[in-house]
Amino acid sequence: DAKTTQPPSMDCAEGRAANLPCNHSTISGNEYVYWYRQIHSQGPQYIIHGLKNNETNEMASLIITEDRKSSTLILPHATLRDTAVYYCIARSSNTGKLIFGQGTTLQVKP
Amino acid sequence: EAGVTQFPSHSVIEKGQTVTLRCDPISGHDNLYWYRRVMGKEIKFLLHFVKESKQDESGMPNNRFLAERTGGTYSTLKVQPAELEDSGVYFCASSQDQRAGHGYTFGSGTRLTVV
Repeated sequence: DAKTTQPPSMDCAEGRAANLPCNHSTISGNEYVYWYRQIHSQGPQYIIHGLKNNETNEMASLIITEDRKSSTLILPHATLRDTAVYYCIARSSNTGKLIFGQGTTLQVKP
Repeated sequence: EAGVTQFPSHSVIEKGQTVTLRCDPISGHDNLYWYRRVMGKEIKFLLHFVKESKQDESGMPNNRFLAERTGGTYSTLKVQPAELEDSGVYFCASSQDQRAGHGYTFGSGTRLTVV
């Protein structure tokens, strides 16, 4: 699975959009980009995933560049409850396992 | 729909003792995964069951760890004998389909402390 690179930490003002970047320059054609988050000591929570096209669900939007070497997770209106560690993971369809990195610690401030 | 349930939520045992962690996946989910985070480290994959079969156990750290999933329903992870470095949070996750394109649902984890 491709290695992903994320900034270690980011801040965001409450009510503003949070844009979390991820680099995955070695991603292969059959690897999806997944985003999970871990709030405090809870289990990781699935947010969204995509392959080539941009995706949106009730939680977030995922923007993947045309060359697929990077992506951005967008939380459109961040709340204090969105404070968490966000993980960007590249996973192929050939394996069931997720490889977690250090993630980005997002701090949403009032 | 009930989520992934893990038991116990916390366990404190002495070095050399045995501990068994249990995971109940979402009903109907054939795929079950174990992960763990030890102090200061990243979340690491341990193994993957498809029904009762071990699909991938490449992340199991050593033979002190034994995972089972009899009948393809709930799973247990036994640590025997426990060592200090086994302390951490053990997560279980399940999914209906292994294919990429499906997210996993994680449980809240079992916090294991070996003293």
